[in-house]
Amino acid sequence: DTGVSQNPRHKITKRGQNVTFRCDPISEHNRLYWYRQTLGQGPEFLTYFQNEAQLEKSRLLSDRFSAERPKGSFSTLEIQRTEQGDSAMYLCASRPGQGTLNSPLHFGNGTRLTVT
Amino acid sequence: AQTVTQSQPEMSVQEAETVTLSCTYDTSESDYYLFWYKQPPSRQMILVIRQEAYKQQNATENRFSVNFQKAAKSFSLKISDSQLGDAAMYFCAYGADSGYALNFGKGTSLLVTP
Repeated sequence: DTGVSQNPRHKITKRGQNVTFRCDPISEHNRLYWYRQTLGQGPEFLTYFQNEAQLEKSRLLSDRFSAERPKGSFSTLEIQRTEQGDSAMYLCASRPGQGTLNSPLHFGNGTRLTVT
Repeated sequence: AQTVTQSQPEMSVQEAETVTLSCTYDTSESDYYLFWYKQPPSRQMILVIRQEAYKQQNATENRFSVNFQKAAKSFSLKISDSQLGDAAMYFCAYGADSGYALNFGKGTSLLVTP
């Protein structure tokens, strides 16, 4: 168990640029989540994958955001035309299992995005 | 929508003492799960303890225990014999099988003083 890996750890970009983050979940975990966390807040759910299928998207995920998990392994989160309000920590989490939420989420260290 | 409320933005405890962090939630589900996660500064979030709503017995993990009051929709975390390494943000989270995601509270920052 090497843990959930996220890259890059930090990203500074200018407003209007596109950015892409990568998440490598724990290898046997078929469920993958993206969360966003701003300063002083708890993580807010963005989207969820079961294998390669994106099963749920939050209303927080505007048209500028897109997430993929093409082979059911790693996932990418892309933000197009970044805005200053996109500055946040983007967390990826994964978990195993077929059914219940009883199996805990394993979080990565996150990617901190700063939009200038 | 399910909401999770943590009414204590900050708490402080002396080393070796006991502290209780509060959490309330709102749901119409009868079956669900509750979690406490710990997020140390600049480090990843890790699970502290979890509770299934159908279980009446309060969960315990070493120095960490919960007081789950289903009727009151309350889920507090008690940390006994506090250690310096317990200093972190603590997040309460709710999840139900009718949905996919966990909903988190805003967190409580715990300071442990020597």
